[in-house]
Amino acid sequence: EDKVVQSPLSLVVHEGDTVTLNCSYEVTNFRSLLWYKQEKKAPTFLFMLTSSGIEKKSGRLSSILDKKELFSILNITATQTGDSAIYLCAVEAGGTSYGKLTFGQGTILTVHP
Amino acid sequence: DGGITQSPKYLFRKEGQNVTLSCEQNLNHDAMYWYRQDPGQGLRLIYYSQIVNDFQKGDIAEGYSVSREKKESFPLTVTSAQKNPTAFYLCASSSSTGELFFGEGSRLTVL
Repeated sequence: EDKVVQSPLSLVVHEGDTVTLNCSYEVTNFRSLLWYKQEKKAPTFLFMLTSSGIEKKSGRLSSILDKKELFSILNITATQTGDSAIYLCAVEAGGTSYGKLTFGQGTILTVHP
Repeated sequence: DGGITQSPKYLFRKEGQNVTLSCEQNLNHDAMYWYRQDPGQGLRLIYYSQIVNDFQKGDIAEGYSVSREKKESFPLTVTSAQKNPTAFYLCASSSSTGELFFGEGSRLTVL
């Protein structure tokens, strides 16, 4: 059974801090790992990672995948109150069922002014 | 605008009643999904469909049913057999890249 574990489950920081969110996984025939941000309702896409060691970056957010150790991290630098959200990690297994994702529990990030 | 529309946004149900949640997409995606979200448990897959007139059970399909008669539509029925239906339900669709696009969700509360 595919499994995704995120840590920490919750995190409280102050504006300007840097945070690192972790995601470890066990999946048969790995295809990709995805990060989503969920503020109130619909999760919004952040990154898709398929190759080890290649950092993906978008503004203050960055993510990297280690396929040997089976984990990914999501970094947020100079956090802002608008970064407060649930961050979801998900993995997609290979085969014919594209888009069928297994999600972790999520990390609840709270950024105080 | 292209996207996924879920309705209703909020729904209350008495025990023993079936309810149907609507999901419509105009992204021309073949695959559609229903997820359930409970606090502290992330998203769990209920059902998914990769093509019209075909669907498969996900990890927690018991007490739910779906249909896929049109490419654009993938309604979810929460039946009275679902023992703990109070949750936030998310519909999604995807193209062959694997990225999921989500609707705004439907929050179901059983009274």
